[in-house]
Amino acid sequence: EAQVTQNPRYLITVTGKKLTVTCSQNMNHEYMSWYRQDPGLGLRQIYYSMNVEATDKGDVPEGYKVSRKEKRNFPLILESPSPNQTSLYFCASSLKRNYEQYFGPGTRLTVT
Amino acid sequence: SQKIEQNSEALNIQEGKTATLTCNYTNYSPAYLQWYRQDPGRGPVFLLLIRENEKEKRKERLKVTFDTTLKQSLFHITASQPADSATYLCALGGASGTYKYIFGTGTRLKVLA
Repeated sequence: EAQVTQNPRYLITVTGKKLTVTCSQNMNHEYMSWYRQDPGLGLRQIYYSMNVEATDKGDVPEGYKVSRKEKRNFPLILESPSPNQTSLYFCASSLKRNYEQYFGPGTRLTVT
Repeated sequence: SQKIEQNSEALNIQEGKTATLTCNYTNYSPAYLQWYRQDPGRGPVFLLLIRENEKEKRKERLKVTFDTTLKQSLFHITASQPADSATYLCALGGASGTYKYIFGTGTRLKVLA
């Protein structure tokens, strides 16, 4: 089944404890993105990747890192999480730049 | 700054009627516009994409229009059903050849039986 998977689905952590949210797609898509979704603010793009070893900042990259060493994986790294990074995170992928995005199921992160 | 606005209030309509959702934007020149459906607790699901040189797109009961002069898109669901109840998101992408996207906050649609 074609899909985007994210792990973990739920995470509660403390300020400053490094964490990684994994994202994987099995559709051989070139493009991948990370978004966060907050009430009243909608989906905001954090980082995106055009292909392996090619990433760029979205609208809200501060406090996040990404890497794309393999085409299928696009992990999101929070080196020192803070409470303002409490949010619902979505990974998405698309075959080409101007094609539809396929979203993962989301990761609900709480930073205390 | 770039801004994208959707009807922020919930939209309630009777089953069988046509639902019309709006998406307005400023300070942005997208190459394409997409509409997504999102159910509570789930990721958005793609519905339709329309490019800057297209005026209208249809898919089954869905229709989207794109007016780059007015900087507006309209999304229509004809013969609406209770199963169409969800939040609908508008997304702009492809400006300046990038993969940057901006999303609206969504419109919550409720179709009443």
